[in-house]
Amino acid sequence: KAGVTQTPRYLIKTRGQQVTLSCSPISGHRSVSWYQQTPGQGLQFLFEYFSETQRNKGNFPGRFSGRQFSNSRSEMNVSTLELGDSALYLCASSLMITGGLANEQFFGPGTRLTVL
Amino acid sequence: KNEVEQSPQNLTAQEGEFITINCSYSVGISALHWLQQHPGGGIVSLFMLSSGKKKHGRLIATINIQEKHSSLHITASHPRDSAVYICAVRTQDSNYQLIWGAGTKLIIKP
Repeated sequence: KAGVTQTPRYLIKTRGQQVTLSCSPISGHRSVSWYQQTPGQGLQFLFEYFSETQRNKGNFPGRFSGRQFSNSRSEMNVSTLELGDSALYLCASSLMITGGLANEQFFGPGTRLTVL
Repeated sequence: KNEVEQSPQNLTAQEGEFITINCSYSVGISALHWLQQHPGGGIVSLFMLSSGKKKHGRLIATINIQEKHSSLHITASHPRDSAVYICAVRTQDSNYQLIWGAGTKLIIKP
């Protein structure tokens, strides 16, 4: 079974631009979560989608948005990029979000975004 | 106060030492996760538990639901165990939130 894939793996943008990152979960997984990790910081939760609905949202400005499609693939968009948005963006998928083994998180390799 | 707190934040030990990383939480949970992130960035799920104890190789994870506390132990530590270890809990309310600890950076010296 293929793992979680994220595209692109690396991205360089300039301030003010917008960016869209993509995450394809493991086949059959219905939940996708997005995280931001900056140097020296832990994982910061962005949002979680389950069956095309945003279930949870972290404390990020409205410039950060996302969506999930019917095939469970998810995209994350950041508008009006700022220098501080430079980070590793990770997505994780799980079968479900309820309790039990079904909510084990499987992480993708991440997209490293650099904002100049 | 964070809902999930890990200690210590940083830990440096010699090869062979027994390592303990702690995770305390203040919310009702349906499951607790331990994950490992190596310097390259990749994150791997180590354990997911809701009660008792789990063992995988040299890694042992325990959880005490009454005390809202979990520990991750590494026996016979090795330099390749150097990584950030992260604790996360899935809440048991209808939001099923996943709340993350700040991580423990472990360095094992040869």
